[in-house]
Amino acid sequence: KQEVTQIPAALSVPEGENLVLNCSFTDSAIYNLQWFRQDPGKGLTSLLLIQSSQREQTSGRLNASLDKSSGRSTLYIAASQPGDSATYLCATGDNNNDMRFGAGTRLTVKP
Amino acid sequence: DVKVTQSSRYLVKRTGEKVFLECVQDMDHENMFWYRQDPGLGLRLIYFSYDVKMKEKGDIPEGYSVSREKKERFSLILESASTNQTSMYLCASSFFSNNEQFFGPGTRLTVL
Repeated sequence: KQEVTQIPAALSVPEGENLVLNCSFTDSAIYNLQWFRQDPGKGLTSLLLIQSSQREQTSGRLNASLDKSSGRSTLYIAASQPGDSATYLCATGDNNNDMRFGAGTRLTVKP
Repeated sequence: DVKVTQSSRYLVKRTGEKVFLECVQDMDHENMFWYRQDPGLGLRLIYFSYDVKMKEKGDIPEGYSVSREKKERFSLILESASTNQTSMYLCASSFFSNNEQFFGPGTRLTVL
């Protein structure tokens, strides 16, 4: 059974810093990997989807990479802002549409 | 933009009541999902559906049932609510082809 781990569980950085969030998974036979943002008490917002054949995806200040063979993905946030404060979750999907979620990294960006 | 809506943001029910949570998506997605999210346990899949009238059990289906009579609507039913079903319930939908999941705003259910 796929296990998804996100380290660290919490991260606090000053505004303007570039930062990397990590996601690792035990079964490399994934169909895709998705990064989400969740604000307190709210649903998940899709940030980036990386298909298994892709190495990275970019959207604005966000860049997600995928290394299937090593079971790792990273989410890079450039020039962080206080509005980026949220919990970030990664999830792997298989070809049966089954998605497995990490526990998330709670990010705080201090002004 | 994909829009997934859930019938209630907050709901308070009594033990033993029958509870309906509704989810509607407007993107013609084949797949729809119900998750619950609890501190320390993350998101867990309750049920999913890949077509009208089709349903598949997820990891924790006990105490729940679902209904999908129309493609855009997926209902989660708690036949007899219990206190251990107090949780945040999240609905999601996706195309079958790539399974990029889009979530609704969530329903925080409290069972007293």
